[in-house]
Amino acid sequence: KNEVEQSPQNLTAQEGEFITINCSYSVGISALHWLQQHPGGGIVSLFMLSSGKKKHGRLIATINIQEKHSSLHITASHPRDSAVYICAAAYSGGGADGLTFGKGTHLIIQP
Amino acid sequence: DGGITQSPKYLFRKEGQNVTLSCEQNLNHDAMYWYRQDPGQGLRLIYYSQIVNDFQKGDIAEGYSVSREKKESFPLTVTSAQKNPTAFYLCASNAGRWYAGELFFGEGSRLTVL
Repeated sequence: KNEVEQSPQNLTAQEGEFITINCSYSVGISALHWLQQHPGGGIVSLFMLSSGKKKHGRLIATINIQEKHSSLHITASHPRDSAVYICAAAYSGGGADGLTFGKGTHLIIQP
Repeated sequence: DGGITQSPKYLFRKEGQNVTLSCEQNLNHDAMYWYRQDPGQGLRLIYYSQIVNDFQKGDIAEGYSVSREKKESFPLTVTSAQKNPTAFYLCASNAGRWYAGELFFGEGSRLTVL
């Protein structure tokens, strides 16, 4: 089964710090999703990317296809960014069961 | 506003009982999915449907059943055959081939078996 590894599992930082969450996957993909899970459990899609870089507000997602690696960056972090961040890799040629999720990174931003 | 509505948010069940979790979307999406989330694990696919009146098993379908009689509705039944049903359940949808479109999720349903 295709594997998706996230690091770190847990991250605590101070408000204003620059945050990086990493995601590695094992085989070629069609797309990679970054998701945010709120403390209440609901999940919101942040990015879907297949190459390069995307930016939305203080969030930046990058992907390196050759290295099979993606990063999610948060600039000027804020306590409201505290959440679980999940990456999910969509594998080329796969069906719905070809979407593999990482275990998530639990981020806490302290004021 | 368009979105996915899951209900109930919390559900308690006695062993041996079947329960049904509701998932409704008004996004006009063809594809709908049910995932299970357990502590320390990634989301795992239970069932998915890419069109009305059709659905396929995911990785962990045993002990679950679904129906897709309407485009907007994809209910999940957790049967008494599911050996460890206590978990957080998430419904999702997207417009077509899942890897080509943004995923939308509901707020989840937390099932506890007493």
